[in-house]
Amino acid sequence: NAGVIQTPRHKVTGKGQEATLWCEPISGHSAVFWYRQTIVQGLEFLTYFRNQAPIDDSGMPKERFSAQMPNQSHSTLKIQSTQPQDSAVYLCASSPGQANSDYTFGSGTRLLVI
Amino acid sequence: GEQVEQLPSILRVQEGSSASINCTYENSASNYFPWYKQEPGENPKLIIDIRSNMERKQTQGLIVLLDKKAKRFSLHITDTQPGDSAMYFCAARDSGYNKLTFGKGTVLLVSP
Repeated sequence: NAGVIQTPRHKVTGKGQEATLWCEPISGHSAVFWYRQTIVQGLEFLTYFRNQAPIDDSGMPKERFSAQMPNQSHSTLKIQSTQPQDSAVYLCASSPGQANSDYTFGSGTRLLVI
Repeated sequence: GEQVEQLPSILRVQEGSSASINCTYENSASNYFPWYKQEPGENPKLIIDIRSNMERKQTQGLIVLLDKKAKRFSLHITDTQPGDSAMYFCAARDSGYNKLTFGKGTVLLVSP
């Protein structure tokens, strides 16, 4: 079990460019979550999929952020027209999906927008 | 939704003493409360959790208390060691949902 795999580990983009972050959940886990971590805000919920279906995207900045889960083996988070305030560590987590199951986090993607 | 407040944001203790972190939540329907430890450059890892049918849980030097009436839960680390220095997050999940809402974290510094 390789755990939750996130790629790339680090990404540097210029302001206005697009960034795509990848997440491969643990095989058999039905729930996939995306969080953003900054020193000021801590762990902010972005969006959540269950059985590949989008369930809750209430934490997503509406205009430039989008997430997809085209199959059970990966999810992507896309940020269009990146801004310096998007700089953060983006964490993906997966869960078996039962009511009281905990998360397994990936190692995160550290995004720096310059 | 849920909101979780976590205090203190920074906690400095001497090796061998105990450390306590407190969290409060708003949604009385929340029924699962995990604690995560995050070391520098690493991802958060679950260290202990408690469900709403319990008031206390203990494992390997960690104690979690849950007061549902006050909507408060806490982590107590006994006999702290320098290796306990890390960021700690509390979280809450409501009964109808799989999403965890996290507190903003506590940096624990254990000095020798």
